[in-house]
Amino acid sequence: EIVLTQSPDFQSVTPKEKVTITCRASQSIGSSLHWYQQKPDQSPKLLIKYASQSISGVPSRFSGSGSGTDFTLTINSLEAEDAATYYCHQSSSLPSFGQGTKVEIK
Amino acid sequence: EVQLVESGGGLVQPGGSLRLSCAASGFTFSSYAMSWVRQAPGKGLEWVSAISGSGGSTYYADSVKGRFTISRDNSKNTLYLQMNSLRAEDTAVYYCAKDDGLIAVAGYAFDIWGQGTMVTVSS
Repeated sequence: EIVLTQSPDFQSVTPKEKVTITCRASQSIGSSLHWYQQKPDQSPKLLIKYASQSISGVPSRFSGSGSGTDFTLTINSLEAEDAATYYCHQSSSLPSFGQGTKVEIK
Repeated sequence: EVQLVESGGGLVQPGGSLRLSCAASGFTFSSYAMSWVRQAPGKGLEWVSAISGSGGSTYYADSVKGRFTISRDNSKNTLYLQMNSLRAEDTAVYYCAKDDGLIAVAGYAFDIWGQGTMVTVSS
C-alpha cells in the first residue's frame, strides 16, 4: 500500500497570498499523482492530473509539480473562493489519498 | 452534460446489507473504468473499489474485501456497489467517480464525481 502524506494539515492564508501544499509518497509513483479540491458539503473536484497537467475550467492560479515521491500543489494569488480542503491521490497502484489540507481564508 | 447520480443510501443495522447505484449520463459509460470512494463524517477520502469498463476486472480495498461487490450494467449505464455484513465503520458518504481511462487501477485520475449518498450503519 502506498501512503501519501500531505503537509501542512491546515493553513490560514490571506487573499492574494501564495499557497503551497506538499504531498509525499511512501514509494516512487512516477507522475501518477492528482489533486482535488473539496468545498464544504460538496463532492471533490479534479484540479490537476498527472502531477502537473491542467484541467479545463480550473483557474490558472492552480498548478502542480513534482515526480517520483515529492509533489506540490501551488495556488498563486489565493482568492476567497479557494477556501476548501485539498487532497492528493495516487493511481500508481491501488488508489490512495492523502489525509487532506484545509485552507482557510483569514 | 457529464453526470453521475448516486442513490440507495440510508440507515441500516450492523450486519445488514445495502445496494448503492450510480446512474451515469453524458459519456460512453462502457469506455471508462469506475470507482467508489467513501468519506466518513469529518474525515478524508478513502478509495473503496474499482471496476474496468467491460466489468471483467474488479479491485477492492482490504477494508471491504469479501463484504462488498462492485458491478456494472453497461446497457443501463449504471454502476453498483453491493454492501454486505455492514459495520459501524462503514458509515460514510459514498461517491461514485469516473476514471479518465478504460482500465481500472491503471494510473488514471477521477475526473467526474457524483454528489454522494449517505450510508449510516447503526442499531
